Amino acid sequence: EVQLVQSGAEVKKPGESLKISCKGSGYSFTSYWIGWVRQMPGKGLEWMGIIYPGDSDTRYSPSFQGQVTISADKSISTAYLQWSSLKASDTAMYYCARRSGWNYPFDYWGQGTLVTVSS
Amino acid sequence: DIQMTQSPSTLSASVGDRVTITCRASQSISSWLAWYQQKPGKAPKLLIYKASSLESGVPSRFSGSGSGTEFTLTISSLQPDDFATYYCQQYNSYPWAFGQGTKVEIK
Repeated sequence: EVQLVQSGAEVKKPGESLKISCKGSGYSFTSYWIGWVRQMPGKGLEWMGIIYPGDSDTRYSPSFQGQVTISADKSISTAYLQWSSLKASDTAMYYCARRSGWNYPFDYWGQGTLVTVSS
Repeated sequence: DIQMTQSPSTLSASVGDRVTITCRASQSISSWLAWYQQKPGKAPKLLIYKASSLESGVPSRFSGSGSGTEFTLTISSLQPDDFATYYCQQYNSYPWAFGQGTKVEIK
């Protein structure tokens, strides 16, 4: 069974760094793209970027380029989303999701990680 | 970058109604369009991919159509479990983009 399990909720202060994770299981982690999606409180879905763990090929939305870093450690089947300096506006639910093929969108989703940034 | 625009933003309907949601792309995306359903506190769920292909396990009352820049999601007979927010998404080219969402409410 394909599963994406995300790390737990985080409460951080502005300026702090953070790395959240998404662990894949039940499939060959290196063979499928993993993406990240932001959902701010009460708002819609925003596509942040995507990584191919097999060779770490990464694409970003211009809205998030330079603001976050997407990475993956294929040895432990885990993708990451990280910030070097959080802002209050980074408060949101973050989802990881898997793309199952070249002609496919996201079909498997993680449960979400709530990030709260507050002084 | 491709922009996605959904209409309406909110839709009030009754159980049994036929419901249609429209999604427009700012440029042609061929048929690389997906529809998702999201309920409060839950991750999105894929309903339709490649504009009109029904994801496995999704009820047949859901259907999608369109190509190029105009797409629709239709629910043939709205059921209580269908009250949720629906998003379209283009995956023709990076960066992918979602529509702003359509909330289907109980009338």
